[in-house]
Amino acid sequence: QKEVEQDPGPLSVPEGAIVSLNCTYSNSAFQYFMWYRQYSRKGPELLMYTYSSGNKEDGRFTAQVDKSSKYISLFIRDSQPSDSATYLCAKGGSGGSNYKLTFGKGTLLTVNP
Amino acid sequence: GAGVSQSPSNKVTEKGKDVELRCDPISGHTALYWYRQSLGQGLEFLIYFQGNSAPDKSGLPSDRFSAERTGGSVSTLTIQRTQQEDSAVYLCASSSGTVNSPLHFGNGTRLTVT
Repeated sequence: QKEVEQDPGPLSVPEGAIVSLNCTYSNSAFQYFMWYRQYSRKGPELLMYTYSSGNKEDGRFTAQVDKSSKYISLFIRDSQPSDSATYLCAKGGSGGSNYKLTFGKGTLLTVNP
Repeated sequence: GAGVSQSPSNKVTEKGKDVELRCDPISGHTALYWYRQSLGQGLEFLIYFQGNSAPDKSGLPSDRFSAERTGGSVSTLTIQRTQQEDSAVYLCASSSGTVNSPLHFGNGTRLTVT
């Protein structure tokens, strides 16, 4: 089992829809989680990170972590065409390798105007 | 301020040739990473540098891959005797080096081995 599993999609939604992106992870030792957004031909850029269970909100974006079920989610409200990108979830390392991020394969999202 | 800079942005090489990829991290960032992104495979960790500490090379896929970081700043990833399976986007990232600090990525070098 891979450490981080992510549904690759692709996911296509109309403008204004609520988008839900999800990942599962296998090692409960993980302490922090991140979501990156990657536009075509660009490097990933950090969207949100969280250290604990529960929700963290930033504008139209909400990151949710459920450590009991090892599930992380990113919700996008009022989605815009400019949100069209690949979204990557990542978990931080544990112990002496806490610097080492492990990424999911990414979900390609298209928001249609 | 300037972000992470990578060069070249694209590289086409023949099988068996050596290639060098360059990364210029954000000024003041002590940690530097190389990742590889292949189609359908996500980001794969290759190597990590932090200050003057010995690098973590645990992700390098074979001894044809090597990397160095000179003066705690610029890094070069070298692939010797390239193979077609080395075709991928090679991403460099840097961070402040504190625990759990976010990674800032460059736009990558797209390597094609023919």
